Amino acid sequence: AQTVTQSQPEMSVQEAETVTLSCTYDTSESNYYLFWYKQPPSRQMILVIRQEAYKQQNATENRFSVNFQKAAKSFSLKISDSQLGDTAMYFCAFMKLGGAGSYQLTFGKGTKLSVIP
Amino acid sequence: EAGVTQFPSHSVIEKGQTVTLRCDPISGHDNLYWYRRVMGKEIKFLLHFVKESKQDESGMPNNRFLAERTGGTYSTLKVQPAELEDSGVYFCASSQPFTGPEGYTFGSGTRLTVV
Repeated sequence: AQTVTQSQPEMSVQEAETVTLSCTYDTSESNYYLFWYKQPPSRQMILVIRQEAYKQQNATENRFSVNFQKAAKSFSLKISDSQLGDTAMYFCAFMKLGGAGSYQLTFGKGTKLSVIP
Repeated sequence: EAGVTQFPSHSVIEKGQTVTLRCDPISGHDNLYWYRRVMGKEIKFLLHFVKESKQDESGMPNNRFLAERTGGTYSTLKVQPAELEDSGVYFCASSQPFTGPEGYTFGSGTRLTVV
């Protein structure tokens, strides 16, 4: 079974600064995806960024980028130039490819990020 | 395009009562998923429908939970009888055929409180 650990329950960052959210995972699978989801207050969860395990290059989406360290099983999210709209719960998630349980997401407990004006 | 709709948004019931949560997926999305987040814990997978069939229900906690998806459209999740530990936020998500979580659209969730 897979586990995902987010060790920072809450974080804050000043507007326009950079913040990094941590995520580690444990799996014996070789083919999988990793995701960061964002859930703003009282709103639905949306995908921020995803990383295929077979790709060495770190994924980037505008101000969001990841540091994927496969050997260390680490998948951190960096948010640059933080904006007030980035205030949300951030969930790290794992999905294995193939076999029983495919397409299931395994989530971490989440990190509550507050962007301070 | 309408999103994934869940209702009610909040429900407060007494222990032992029955509650039914509903999820309306995006039209044409064959895949429908239910997840649950108990306060302070991880979001956990409950089950996965492909059209009206249960593809994977390995995450259903016990037989007090019954999920259905009539005609492959909307889905209901019934909890009968509800227990205190069932409190949490129940999320629904849907996706098109043959897409994984990159294609998920989540609903806003139903917050269930059992008192």
